[in-house]
Amino acid sequence: DGGITQSPKYLFRKEGQNVTLSCEQNLNHDAMYWYRQDPGQGLRLIYYSQIVNDFQKGDIAEGYSVSREKKESFPLTVTSAQKNPTAFYLCASSSSGGNPGTQYFGPGTRLTVL
Amino acid sequence: KQEVTQIPAALSVPEGENLVLNCSFTDSAIYNLQWFRQDPGKGLTSLLLIQSSQREQTSGRLNASLDKSSGRSTLYIAASQPGDSATYLCAINFGNEKLTFGTGTRLTIIP
Repeated sequence: DGGITQSPKYLFRKEGQNVTLSCEQNLNHDAMYWYRQDPGQGLRLIYYSQIVNDFQKGDIAEGYSVSREKKESFPLTVTSAQKNPTAFYLCASSSSGGNPGTQYFGPGTRLTVL
Repeated sequence: KQEVTQIPAALSVPEGENLVLNCSFTDSAIYNLQWFRQDPGKGLTSLLLIQSSQREQTSGRLNASLDKSSGRSTLYIAASQPGDSATYLCAINFGNEKLTFGTGTRLTIIP
């Protein structure tokens, strides 16, 4: 089955901790994206990567970090510097890096700060 | 600033009716526009993608149109069913390698 997987589905973090959200795709897509979704708001782009070993900041990158060591994987770390991390996090991928066609989304990770 | 707006935020419609969801944007220089569906607590499912050179796309009971000159796209759903209840999001690629999303319309189909 081709698709995008995210883990865990639910994640709880204590204040001051870093946590890493996993995103894996087996669609052979070059581009991958991380979005944050808050209630009543649209998706906001955190980071994106067009190719392995390269990534760019999105609109709300502060307090987050990413890596792209493999084509299939694009993990997101939520650092203690992120002041309001409680949100629903969505990972996506697309086949064309420059100007993307259809983006395919994973099922999401809900992060809650205790 | 490139903005994408979806009004209304919520819509309730009796089962069987046809309906239209709206998406408006401020910058007509778009590369493509995509409509997504999101069920509660889930990821997004792509419904239709319209390229800048196209006027509409159809998939089953869904039809999406694009009018760049007026800055508007519509998603038409024919013969609505309770299973159509979800939040519908439009997203635009303005040619800068990323999507700009609207805030979505939460659709409820009343049996």
